[in-house]
Amino acid sequence: AQKITQTQPGMFVQEKEAVTLDCTYDTSDPSYGLFWYKQPSSGEMIFLIYQGSYDQQNATEGRYSLNFQKARKSANLVISASQLGDSAMYFCAMRGHTGGFKTIFGAGTRLFVKA
Amino acid sequence: SAVISQKPSRDICQRGTSLTIQCQVDSQVTMMFWYRQQPGQSLTLIATANQGSEATYESGFVIDKFPISRPNLTFSTLTVSNMSPEDSSIYLCSVVQGMNTEAFFGQGTRLTVV
Repeated sequence: AQKITQTQPGMFVQEKEAVTLDCTYDTSDPSYGLFWYKQPSSGEMIFLIYQGSYDQQNATEGRYSLNFQKARKSANLVISASQLGDSAMYFCAMRGHTGGFKTIFGAGTRLFVKA
Repeated sequence: SAVISQKPSRDICQRGTSLTIQCQVDSQVTMMFWYRQQPGQSLTLIATANQGSEATYESGFVIDKFPISRPNLTFSTLTVSNMSPEDSSIYLCSVVQGMNTEAFFGQGTRLTVV
């Protein structure tokens, strides 16, 4: 079975500072993918970043980077230079190659960016 | 990428009735899924919509309550049957085009059962 754990229900960060959102996972799949999504108050799901289990380097997309530590089964999202518009719910998600393309989600972390 | 049109965007329904939600994708996709997001919660997978065959339901979800159709590679429906207030949630359609690609989501259907 696959499981995603996000232990931070809420996080505060000062505008322009960096913030790390934690995510740990568990899977027996040797090959899997890890995703982060942002959900603002409007409700849409916005894809941020992807990391494959066999990728040697940590993924980066603009201000987003994924700190992938495979041995520790963690996939933390780092947002640099936080902006007020970053205030939203953030979900860590995983898809295993034997899971039939299913994506499972963690409980989420609500990020509040302070001016 | 994939553009997903989901209808209706919201509805208020009487308990005991049923609502059918439609999901239309602008391209043929391999996999389609339906999720439920209860207020303030994460996304929970209801089922995988299989083209031309019965959907595959996750634990805790049954076909009688959430019948799903997928007549082709671009369209699916989810029906929420015999609704109760506990069914008040956002229901989201999602598609995946490849194992290593992101899932795309519809705008969601915000359902309130009174």
